[in-house]
Amino acid sequence: NAGVMQNPRHLVRRRGQEARLRCSPMKGHSHVYWYRQLPEEGLKFMVYLQKENIIDESGMPKERFSAEFPKEGPSILRIQQVVRGDSAAYFCASSPPSLGGGNIQYFGAGTRLSVL
Amino acid sequence: DQQVKQNSPSLSVQEGRISILNCDYTNSMFDYFLWYKKYPAEGPTFLISISSIKDKNEDGRFTVFLNKSAKHLSLHIVPSQPGDSAVYFCAARYGNNRLAFGKGNQVVVIP
Repeated sequence: NAGVMQNPRHLVRRRGQEARLRCSPMKGHSHVYWYRQLPEEGLKFMVYLQKENIIDESGMPKERFSAEFPKEGPSILRIQQVVRGDSAAYFCASSPPSLGGGNIQYFGAGTRLSVL
Repeated sequence: DQQVKQNSPSLSVQEGRISILNCDYTNSMFDYFLWYKKYPAEGPTFLISISSIKDKNEDGRFTVFLNKSAKHLSLHIVPSQPGDSAVYFCAARYGNNRLAFGKGNQVVVIP
């Protein structure tokens, strides 16, 4: 029973390039969340998606960042024209279809983005 | 705006003793609280949670206490084991199942 899979684990980009981070949720999970962790900080919520729908993107920067969770395939977090301040660990989490009490989010191992 | 605060960034404890981690929050709209454990280069692993309508939840060596009037929760690990050495994050749920995280506490269990 595979957990949340993220790839790549490490990504190096030069300023101005694009970064694409992928996340495959746990089997049976239809909710996906993206979080960002800066050094010495806690995780910060970015976006919450269900298949083909963005439910809450209140934590996403207004420019250069976008996310999708297509009907088929993994969820993608896309960062255009990366800057040094985008260097961080990006974690994806998934949860089951029901959002009842105690709904738990399960996290992947993260993608560490380094912008040169 | 730090809605979830974890003070005392690091804690060292002898194997077999109790580890106590504290967490304070400011948002009264949080309805669930969770603790995650994180090893280096890995993602957070869920440990235990508690609903805002309860004051205690226990699972094996882990117990979480919630004091809603003080907006304070704590995680007790007893007995502590060397494998418990990790960073522990307090998280609170609000809105559309979003989680707000504290900055984490580093726990070192000394054999």
